[in-house]
Amino acid sequence: AQSVAQPEDQVNVAEGNPLTVKCTYSVSGNPYLFWYVQYPNRGLQFLLKYITGDNLVKGSYGFEAEFNKSQTSFHLKKPSALVSDSALYFCAVRDITGRRALTFGSGTRLQVQP
Amino acid sequence: GAGVSQSPSNKVTEKGKDVELRCDPISGHTALYWYRQRLGQGLEFLIYFQGNSAPDKSGLPSDRFSAERTGESVSTLTIQRTQQEDSAVYLCASSLGGTDSSEQYFGPGTRLTVT
Repeated sequence: AQSVAQPEDQVNVAEGNPLTVKCTYSVSGNPYLFWYVQYPNRGLQFLLKYITGDNLVKGSYGFEAEFNKSQTSFHLKKPSALVSDSALYFCAVRDITGRRALTFGSGTRLQVQP
Repeated sequence: GAGVSQSPSNKVTEKGKDVELRCDPISGHTALYWYRQRLGQGLEFLIYFQGNSAPDKSGLPSDRFSAERTGESVSTLTIQRTQQEDSAVYLCASSLGGTDSSEQYFGPGTRLTVT
């Protein structure tokens, strides 16, 4: 079985400050990890993914995420937050030997204050 | 290019009625997924199609739920005898499917309300 935990329902950060949205996962084998963002009244948009290789993955809109195998984490980060980054963020995982469908976390709402 | 499209965008139905939701994947994407998102929750996997292989139905919550896909094109999700707990946003996604690591592209969803 695979699972994802996003321990924070909401993260508040001031514009211009760095942001981190936390994600930990559990799979029986090796993971493929993804971050998606959901803006109000819009579908989920792909941000970035970790497949293999460098633990630091860079994605859209200046976001990056760091894969940490020993801590089974894949935290999303951005050096300088923008008000327009305010949205709902989902972490997702699949076991590379398991079913193709993703298992999603419950989501973290990011609120960036001007 | 065109993304994943879903119809209708909103559907209100009475308890006990059947509903049919439609998904048009991105052209050339062989894999298609259906998920359900209840209010304030994450996405819940329902069913997965890959080319002409037998679908993975392991996420369907009951036998009232079924889905079909013709080849590598349109898919329909049918919910029979709808219940109030079926109220949710139903999301469709597609991916290239040829590689295990390909990301999924999501449609805007169908918001289903069962009264």
